Formats: sequence, structure tokens, C-alpha cells
Amino acid sequence: GQNIDQPTEMTATEGAIVQINCTYQTSGFNGLFWYQQHAGEAPTFLSYNVLDGLEEKGRFSSFLSRSKGYSYLLLKELQMKDSASYLCAAYVNSGAGSYQLTFGKGTKLSVIP
Amino acid sequence: DGGITQSPKYLFRKEGQNVTLSCEQNLNHDAMYWYRQDPGQGLRLIYYSQIVNDFQKGDIAEGYSVSREKKESFPLTVTSAQKNPTAFYLCASRRGTGGFWNTEAFFGQGTRLTVV
Repeated sequence: GQNIDQPTEMTATEGAIVQINCTYQTSGFNGLFWYQQHAGEAPTFLSYNVLDGLEEKGRFSSFLSRSKGYSYLLLKELQMKDSASYLCAAYVNSGAGSYQLTFGKGTKLSVIP
Repeated sequence: DGGITQSPKYLFRKEGQNVTLSCEQNLNHDAMYWYRQDPGQGLRLIYYSQIVNDFQKGDIAEGYSVSREKKESFPLTVTSAQKNPTAFYLCASRRGTGGFWNTEAFFGQGTRLTVV
């Protein structure tokens, strides 16, 4: 089976840095996505890591360690608009050439002044 | 403009009725997915499809059915067998089916289904 864990909620201060962790136990792992979702809206893509290491994209960075089954999303210079849920998702080979995208339950981030 | 479209945005259904949610994409994507999201919860996979005329069950397929007769379309039917169908339903598509395609999955805007 697939198991993806991330903290339920986090709070951080405007202008600060926050790290959202994600651990996964999956078979057939191929890569890891991070999405942002504001309440009542569709998720929007932030990053996709296939290889180990850090991928930086503006204020957002994502890290992957395949050997440890671990990823994190780093948000710098937090803004109030960053208050949202952040979803970690594993892309896994479920066999016979079939691939599925499995999400964790999401981390609700609240940015406070 | 290319994109993925879900309709309708809001849907009300009487208990015991089947209802079909539409998902159309003009991105020429191979893979399509249906998810269900309950309040305060993550996305749970219902069904997914890699190619036309082929689809697989996800984690919570019971009470749902799908078809993939055309590459651009992946409708989801919520049947009367689904015990608790009230939820936010999201459809997504992705270009490649292999893991090393460095492409994102695009989401539609979702359909909020309420059983009355």
C-alpha cells in the first residue's frame, strides 16, 4: 500500500521561513509533487522532484531524499497569501505500466502578521 | 487556451440517483485522474486512466464508475451505491505516464456534489 504523512497544521509569521515535511512509504516510487490549495479551489502545482536534492523556484524550494523516503517544501519570505494547504503527492508505478498519483492529507499553513 | 474543464461547478442530487460529472481536457494528455476531497482532508484517488479504453481503480472506487472512450474525456458516474457521495470532486490530467516525465498534473476547478 501507499502511505504518505505530513503534519496537519502549521503556523508561521509573515516574513519568516517555514519547512513542511513529508514522509512516504510506497512501492514503485517515481517522484514527488508539491501542490498548493486555497480553500474551495483546485490545487496548483509548486514542484516535482525525481532525483535527490534541492530544487529552487523563487521563494519556494523542495527537497527529496529517495533513500530516506523524505521530502520537504521550504517557503521563504512568507506572505499572507501563502496561507493555504500544501499537499505532498507521490507518483508511483502501480504495476503493468500503470502509474498513480497518491496524495497525503495536506498541511494547512496559517501565516500570521 | 488549453486546459482541463469540469462541469458543473455545483451539483445537487437526490438520494438514490446516479449522477455523472464531466471532465474534458484539450492538452493532449495521456493520463487522467479522479479524486474526492472531504472537508479538511487530502485528495483520495477514485479512478485513473493511462490510455483510451483503459482505466484502473484507485483507493476508493466502490460506488463509482468511469469510462475513457476518448483521450480528452474521462467522465465519472457517482452511483446510488456510493453511501456518502457529498464531497468536492477533482479531475486531473498529466502528459506522460512514466515517472520521469518532468511535468505537472493539471487540475480542473472541481465539482461540489451535494446529496439532498
